[in-house]
Amino acid sequence: AQSVTQLGSHVSVSEGALVLLRCNYSSSVPPYLFWYVQYPNQGLQLLLKYTSAATLVKGINGFEAEFKKSETSFHLTKPSAHMSDAAEYFCAVTAAGETSGSRLTFGEGTQLTVNP
Amino acid sequence: EPEVTQTPSHQVTQMGQEVILRCVPISNHLYFYWYRQILGQKVEFLVSFYNNEISEKSEIFDDQFSVERPDGSNFTLKIRSTKLEDSAMYFCASSELAGITEAFFGQGTRLTVV
Repeated sequence: AQSVTQLGSHVSVSEGALVLLRCNYSSSVPPYLFWYVQYPNQGLQLLLKYTSAATLVKGINGFEAEFKKSETSFHLTKPSAHMSDAAEYFCAVTAAGETSGSRLTFGEGTQLTVNP
Repeated sequence: EPEVTQTPSHQVTQMGQEVILRCVPISNHLYFYWYRQILGQKVEFLVSFYNNEISEKSEIFDDQFSVERPDGSNFTLKIRSTKLEDSAMYFCASSELAGITEAFFGQGTRLTVV
């Protein structure tokens, strides 16, 4: 079984500041990890994914995340926040090597606010 | 860019009525999913579908729910007798393969049961 915990349901940063959204996972098997973003009234869009290749993963819009097995973490970062980054961010996990309709298990989500 | 399309975007129904939520997955994708998000809560897996049958379902997906791929393009979620607690945003998703490849999500159908 897998689970995800996102620390901080709301994060507020100033424009230009570092964005750090925290995600810790629990998995009994090697995981695949994903970050999705949800803009208001839109669906979920994939930002990036970890699938057991490089531990530092780069995604769209300048985001990146680092898989740390020892810490069971997959935190999302962006060096400089932009107003357009304001959205809800979801961390999700699935079991690596799934060959049939693998379910994604999502965290609670973190609402990112970017202040001018 | 190919996308997953869901209709309607918003549906209001009376308790006890049947509803069908419709989705058109990306055309070359093989796996299809339904998730839901109750307001203020996390996104929850409902069911996955592959090769014209359910491959996995969650404990939420009870006998009131059913899925179907009636033709080569549509994927539907039916709720037989809606309850107030079925009010949620329902997301359809599709992927080429399970696991390693990403699931592409539709914009969702907001279901309101009154």
